[in-house]
Amino acid sequence: QVQLVQSGSELKMPGASVKVSCEASGYSFTTYAVNWVRQAPGQGLEWMGWITTNTEKPTYAQGFTGRFVFSLDTSVNTAYLQISSLKPEDTAIYYCAKHSRDLGLPDYWGQGTLVTVSS
Amino acid sequence: DIQLTQSPSSLSASVGDRVTITCRASQAFSNYLAWYQQKPGKVPQLLIYSASTLQSGVPSRFSGSGSWTEFTLTISSLQPEDVATYYCLNHNSAPLTFGPGTKVEIK
Repeated sequence: QVQLVQSGSELKMPGASVKVSCEASGYSFTTYAVNWVRQAPGQGLEWMGWITTNTEKPTYAQGFTGRFVFSLDTSVNTAYLQISSLKPEDTAIYYCAKHSRDLGLPDYWGQGTLVTVSS
Repeated sequence: DIQLTQSPSSLSASVGDRVTITCRASQAFSNYLAWYQQKPGKVPQLLIYSASTLQSGVPSRFSGSGSWTEFTLTISSLQPEDVATYYCLNHNSAPLTFGPGTKVEIK
């Protein structure tokens, strides 16, 4: 069955960096893009962008350029989200989600990774 | 980019009530509108895509309709397990955009 398993919670100081991983299984990893979605505490869902897994081309939504980087390691079916120069407002749950080409949307989601930025 | 608004932002209804949530788009984009349900502390789950197609396994009390700039999600008979926040999503093309959400509670 399709599964996306994300790395565990992180507590980081402002200015630090964090790298969240998302390991996929149960499907052909290089066939479907991976979406990233942010959810700040008590807030709604924000689509951050996606990365195609065949060409490794990232697309970033407005507001997620510069400090946010999507990457892949296709040898281990894993997608990564790296955030640099962390700010307290980056505190959120970050979800990865497999992209359904047929439906054009995220269909299977990881469990989410809580990143807390605090001094 | 397409912006989505949802109304109401929250609602409280009795078990068995018919509940309707509206999602409006800043510009027309045919019917590539999806609905997700997020229960407290859980991962979002896809309910409906392409405005009206029910995802496999989703109870038939959920239905979607609409096109162009106005879409609705209807729960025909609200159940206690439907307590959640519901989000619409534009899946017409990148950038995908979510609505702000509608929180549904039981009265």
